[in-house]
Amino acid sequence: AQSVTQPDIHITVSEGASLELRCNYSYGATPYLFWYVLSPGQGLQLLLKYFSGDTLVQGIKGFEAEFKRSQSSFNLRKPSVHWSDAAEYFCAADFQAGTALIFGKGTTLSVSS
Amino acid sequence: GAGVSQSPSNKVTEKGKDVELRCDPISGHTALYWYRQSLGQGLEFLIYFQGNSAPDKSGLPSDRFSAERTGGSVSTLTIQRTQQEDSAVYLCASSQRAASSYNEQFFGPGTRLTVL
Repeated sequence: AQSVTQPDIHITVSEGASLELRCNYSYGATPYLFWYVLSPGQGLQLLLKYFSGDTLVQGIKGFEAEFKRSQSSFNLRKPSVHWSDAAEYFCAADFQAGTALIFGKGTTLSVSS
Repeated sequence: GAGVSQSPSNKVTEKGKDVELRCDPISGHTALYWYRQSLGQGLEFLIYFQGNSAPDKSGLPSDRFSAERTGGSVSTLTIQRTQQEDSAVYLCASSQRAASSYNEQFFGPGTRLTVL
């Protein structure tokens, strides 16, 4: 079955430290891949997306993600975390080009000072 | 409007009552999607509309759930005889449906449903 896995439910990072949130997807063909952030009062916001081409994609707020076909992964990274990055992050995949997004269960990021 | 809007933003209801959740997509977007975020379940797909038709209802969890879309615009998600496990944030998204390119889904702020 098509699925997206985010193995880390909760991560705590010190402010200024680097961040990596993991995401793996199932299925043979490469889906369209996305990272969203859900912040209180902000709704679900798209951080970045991968369709094809360059495997390192840049997003908003200083985030980037790297697609690795061999590992079926699409990990989200940020070199220096800010307190305002504390939120819930969702990895998502579109396996059928424009229908349902399949989401991971989310990773909650806490930022310590 | 400028974005996807949903109403109400919060809804508290008693078990067994029916509720209606509304979604206004971005003007001109022909595709509309419903998802829900339940505690411990992440974000789950419920139903997808293309125009007024729903080619994919596979995510609806039971026959108590239904959705309709009229005029290719506003959509209503109805939950009959609500149960406590229906408590969740219900998110709506819309996108254009140009055949030549992938179209991003834009999400509304959600409706938080609490069933007592």
